Amino acid sequence: DAKTTQPNSMESNEEEPVHLPCNHSTISGTDYIHWYRQLPSQGPEYVIHGLTSNVNNRMASLAIAEDRKSSTLILHRATLRDAAVYYCILSVLAGAQKLVFGQGTRLTINP
Amino acid sequence: NAGVTQTPKFQVLKTGQSMTLQCAQDMNHNSMYWYRQDPGMGLRLIYYSASEGTTDKGEVPNGYNVSRLNKREFSLRLESAAPSQTSVYFCASNRQGNTEAFFGQGTRLTVV
Repeated sequence: DAKTTQPNSMESNEEEPVHLPCNHSTISGTDYIHWYRQLPSQGPEYVIHGLTSNVNNRMASLAIAEDRKSSTLILHRATLRDAAVYYCILSVLAGAQKLVFGQGTRLTINP
Repeated sequence: NAGVTQTPKFQVLKTGQSMTLQCAQDMNHNSMYWYRQDPGMGLRLIYYSASEGTTDKGEVPNGYNVSRLNKREFSLRLESAAPSQTSVYFCASNRQGNTEAFFGQGTRLTVV
């Protein structure tokens, strides 16, 4: 399965934008890029996903490099509630969607 | 909306005991999954069910069995629990393909 590389931790300030990078140099043409986040003592929560084009939703934006070997999750205005572990995942479709989680990026938001 | 419901939330087992973790979703999703998460690690896929009547092994299936009882319910069974199975177990579901997956709140299992 294709793997992703993320920084172990990042820190940002409340109400500022946050850019979370992800490298996936071995991505295949059919792999979707997913982002999930996990708050303390909770199950993962879907954030956003995309294939080739940049994507926006109410939570975040996903910027995908033209060669698809990297992507960036953008939180436009971080709040304290955005403090979580963020996982960049390449999904493998094998009848069902198999999400292969790495260790993720622990995001700390300073007030 | 309940979403994905897991029971129990906490469980302590002795080595060699058996138990079944229950998972139910009320979103009419086709696919369901069981993951485990060890401390400080990401989630690892144990088993999944692409649709009612089918189940397949994930990354770490040894020591576990699953049953897709119907479209709503997907259970995970530990026949003979081992300390290495101490973990937090998450059930998830999604409609199909590359769509948003919904996760339960987890079952924290300790095997002593």
